[in-house]
Amino acid sequence: QLQLQESGPGLVKSSETLSLTCSVSGGSIPSSYYFGWIRQPPGKGLEWIANIYYTGSTYYNPSLRSRVTISLDTSKNQFSLEVSSVTASDTALYYCASGISGWLWNWGRGALVTVSS
Amino acid sequence: ETVLTQSPATLSLSPGERATLSCRASQSIKNYLAWYQQKPGQAPRLLIYDAFNRATGIPARFSGSGSGTDFTLTISSLEPEDFAVYYCQQRDNWLWTFGQGTKVEIK
Repeated sequence: QLQLQESGPGLVKSSETLSLTCSVSGGSIPSSYYFGWIRQPPGKGLEWIANIYYTGSTYYNPSLRSRVTISLDTSKNQFSLEVSSVTASDTALYYCASGISGWLWNWGRGALVTVSS
Repeated sequence: ETVLTQSPATLSLSPGERATLSCRASQSIKNYLAWYQQKPGQAPRLLIYDAFNRATGIPARFSGSGSGTDFTLTISSLEPEDFAVYYCQQRDNWLWTFGQGTKVEIK
């Protein structure tokens, strides 16, 4: 059973870039796994941001695609997210998650990111 | 982009009652649908994948059905720990989307 842990700054200034890393423990990054980022604004629902296959293929939410980059580093057992030009609407709890066939069996606890003006 | 619409937004029921949650897709997604449960202060937990397969450790009172555009999550007899928010998720062409959630609350 993989364990996931998000890390990164909890406060980001408006117009700057938000960077988060998800560390994977409990084994090496498995083949056939997808790794993704999902966010949840306070009191609201889940929004998929991006995902990456273990081969490196990437998929992005069309509404965020122009500002988002997801990457995978199998040597470090981690994957990362960057969101550029952030605004207050990017304030949310950011989850990393993983699983086979696009189903999210494993989740991190979430990292709260607040965008300040 | 496939949009998922969940109904109702809120379901008020008593322990022991049957809960029926709906998720409708804007286009056919075959059986590429999952259901998650989220409790306050916790990350979501996978309940059902591929529309009807229970994830490891999920009680038999949870069941999923449907294909194409219409899907249902049924909780046969609500336990106190089942009161939570439930989300559906699709993975058509690896572009994921989530429904807006259904809150199952104690009546």
